[in-house]
Amino acid sequence: DGGITQSPKYLFRKEGQNVTLSCEQNLNHDAMYWYRQDPGQGLRLIYYSQIVNDFQKGDIAEGYSVSREKKESFPLTVTSAQKNPTAFYLCASSSPGQGAGGTEAFFGQGTRLTVV
Amino acid sequence: GEDVEQSLFLSVREGDSSVINCTYTDSSSTYLYWYKQEPGAGLQLLTYIFSNMDMKQDQRLTVLLNKKDKHLSLRIADTQTGDSAIYFCAPRAGAGSYQLTFGKGTKLSVIP
Repeated sequence: DGGITQSPKYLFRKEGQNVTLSCEQNLNHDAMYWYRQDPGQGLRLIYYSQIVNDFQKGDIAEGYSVSREKKESFPLTVTSAQKNPTAFYLCASSSPGQGAGGTEAFFGQGTRLTVV
Repeated sequence: GEDVEQSLFLSVREGDSSVINCTYTDSSSTYLYWYKQEPGAGLQLLTYIFSNMDMKQDQRLTVLLNKKDKHLSLRIADTQTGDSAIYFCAPRAGAGSYQLTFGKGTKLSVIP
């Protein structure tokens, strides 16, 4: 089945540690995204990538880093510089021109990160 | 950039219709999407409308678009308890853009 997979579902981080969230898709989509969701805040864009080996900062990139070495994979690292990392993280992918509505984003099931 | 506004909460009785409203600012938005998020899960695409349409119906869902006022609505007929979730409006910018902008989401509570 085609889809987008995030792992792990739950992640605990000690203060001062870096952690990496995994996102893999087998939809052959060009673009991939990372969003952060806090209660009552909606989704805020952290980073996005439209093509392999290229990515751009979103609205809240500080304290995060990404890589896009393969089309299928877009891992997100939450660094110790991110002061308030506890949140629900969502990865998505999309591709243009796949017919009407084909540009919609498909989402993974999310990773809940908690700082302990 | 695009701003998207939604009411945060809506409460309806089971069997009634629900109407979730959304306003946006970018008049070049081409596709406008509605997503549903159940607790602890990712977002699931519900339906969408293209900017040259006024209305789209899909079973219990009706999407209305007023392009002049930049107003989008999602009507759910015969609302069921399984419809309880957060609903996000997400316009996509013009041709060549990959980006979606999300509203803060409307939490729909269905009272049995």
